[in-house]
Amino acid sequence: GQNIDQPTEMTATEGAIVQINCTYQTSGFNGLFWYQQHAGEAPTFLSYNVLDGLEEKGRFSSFLSRSKGYSYLLLKELQMKDSASYLCAVLDSNYQLIWGAGTKLIIKP
Amino acid sequence: GAVVSQHPSWVICKSGTSVKIECRSLDFQATTMFWYRQFPKQSLMLMATSNEGSKATYEQGVEKDKFLINHASLTLSTLTVTSAHPEDSSFYICSARDMASGDSNTQYFGPGTRLTVL
Repeated sequence: GQNIDQPTEMTATEGAIVQINCTYQTSGFNGLFWYQQHAGEAPTFLSYNVLDGLEEKGRFSSFLSRSKGYSYLLLKELQMKDSASYLCAVLDSNYQLIWGAGTKLIIKP
Repeated sequence: GAVVSQHPSWVICKSGTSVKIECRSLDFQATTMFWYRQFPKQSLMLMATSNEGSKATYEQGVEKDKFLINHASLTLSTLTVTSAHPEDSSFYICSARDMASGDSNTQYFGPGTRLTVL
């Protein structure tokens, strides 16, 4: 079967750094996405990795290791507005998006 | 770019009525759109893939006669929840891919429609 694993919930402090991990087992791989979803809102696109390595975009960075079936999303200089769920999703060989259950990130002052 | 809108943003209806939700790609053409449902504190569940000019592809367990999808143009897909019941109350979200861009794998989401069936 196909599955995406990510922690259910994480807590971090404002101004700090947090890393949200995602491991996956899918039939084929055409890229990995990270989305941010605030409560009651639709997901918004954060990043897309298809090659190994680190992609940096402002305070957010995303890393991928295809050989390990592993990715992480790194959030720096945390702000209260970063409190949200972070969804990891993999595009499989059929170009179907397989979704993780999401990681709820709680930021404390 | 890659903006997707949905209408309405929320709807309350009586049990047994039908509700239509529209999904539009505002600044690009979308041959394929996706319809998701999300229950509280759960992840997104793909319901169906909507293809312009052809029948939608439904995921296992999704009743195609209950959730009617019409993708009549390159910028509009509609989801009609027929004979809605309280258990259909959920957050319905559509997404679309901009196949003409260099980023054709990314799905961009509409703001979602919160359906409450009384």
